[in-house]
Amino acid sequence: EDQVTQSPEALRLQEGESSSLNCSYTVSGLRGLFWYRQDPGKGPEFLFTLYSAGEEKEKERLKATLTKKESFLHITAPKPEDSATYLCAVPDSNYQLIWGAGTKLIIKP
Amino acid sequence: KAGVTQTPRYLIKTRGQQVTLSCSPISGHRSVSWYQQTPGQGLQFLFEYFSETQRNKGNFPGRFSGRQFSNSRSEMNVSTLELGDSALYLCASSLGLYQETQYFGPGTRLLVL
Repeated sequence: EDQVTQSPEALRLQEGESSSLNCSYTVSGLRGLFWYRQDPGKGPEFLFTLYSAGEEKEKERLKATLTKKESFLHITAPKPEDSATYLCAVPDSNYQLIWGAGTKLIIKP
Repeated sequence: KAGVTQTPRYLIKTRGQQVTLSCSPISGHRSVSWYQQTPGQGLQFLFEYFSETQRNKGNFPGRFSGRQFSNSRSEMNVSTLELGDSALYLCASSLGLYQETQYFGPGTRLLVL
């Protein structure tokens, strides 16, 4: 069964304390992996798409990496405004996105 | 470029009623997908429309339906509302088919009493 699992469920960091979020997946044939950020009461905001193992993408303090079984979202020297829920998703064989439950990130000043 | 817009933003209905939600995609985007988001189940795919045709459907009962118009705007309808239908309904648009990068609207918060 196609599945996406994110860990940890929640992560509390001090401002400036770097860390990583994990997204592991089991699908038959990777058709891309998407990272989104969602603020409370808002729709998800697109961050990155990764297509092949070894691929990396960066945006400000965020860097996403991809292996054959998982993806990491590295957050370097985070600021309070980075607090949000981070979601990852992968398409199944019907190109229907399977979503992880998300990691709620809280950055304390 | 204007983003995805959804109306209404908030809605309160009672059990048994029906509701219609509207979504206007980003200009030039031809694909619209709908999702239901709840604290317990997370984001769940409802359906995807492209060129006025439903191309993909999630595992939801027939009470959930949708359509897309020639200008790519989309509506979804939920009939015979149940308490469990209370959720944030999100619309996302993308340039083409098969859910390439999707851009989400702010959502419609539906409360069923």
